[in-house]
Amino acid sequence: EPEVTQTPSHQVTQMGQEVILRCVPISNHLYFYWYRQILGQKVEFLVSFYNNEISEKSEIFDDQFSVERPDGSNFTLKIRSTKLEDSAMYFCASSLETVLSYEQYFGPGTRLTVT
Amino acid sequence: DAKTTQPNSMESNEEEPVHLPCNHSTISGTDYIHWYRQLPSQGPEYVIHGLTSNVNNRMASLAIAEDRKSSTLILHRATLRDAAVYYCILASGNTPLVFGKGTRLSVIA
Repeated sequence: EPEVTQTPSHQVTQMGQEVILRCVPISNHLYFYWYRQILGQKVEFLVSFYNNEISEKSEIFDDQFSVERPDGSNFTLKIRSTKLEDSAMYFCASSLETVLSYEQYFGPGTRLTVT
Repeated sequence: DAKTTQPNSMESNEEEPVHLPCNHSTISGTDYIHWYRQLPSQGPEYVIHGLTSNVNNRMASLAIAEDRKSSTLILHRATLRDAAVYYCILASGNTPLVFGKGTRLSVIA
């Protein structure tokens, strides 16, 4: 069964450093998302991406964040200058384009630890 | 904020059916009712979704009230692997999912 994959599974970085989290969505999916979950808290939406551009973003997704689909398979989230509060699990998700409804398929996540 | 209300936690015996309730009194006509679950240390996992009619798939059944203001996720025979946080989410089209706190289901052997 096709699945969303994410690398690395765990990333440790120092405050102020740039990190890039990588995702390979399911191959025929057209919508891509990033969510994050701070330990013990709710899953929060960051950004959605469709047709090579951001379709929606939350207030969390400020200028320090960017997303890219550099080729036909990868979808990346970049945090330009990490802060301690960026420590969280980051989940990538993808879905088919449908008019009526959809289900999102999530990857296993990348645990980001900022020290 | 999430537009659904769920109990914080529920408990079930293994191999018994489980009914997880969800209230969504402000549901709009275009909202689908989605259920996801999150097993410990894993990403959310799609379970089932529906609009008006009851739905069945290999994982679960979804019973939707006639007025659509509430729904129930039914796990027909709970197993230890079903222990997870279950989220009831309203969504239309490809809008982002808004997760609440969900219901933490414990399954007792």
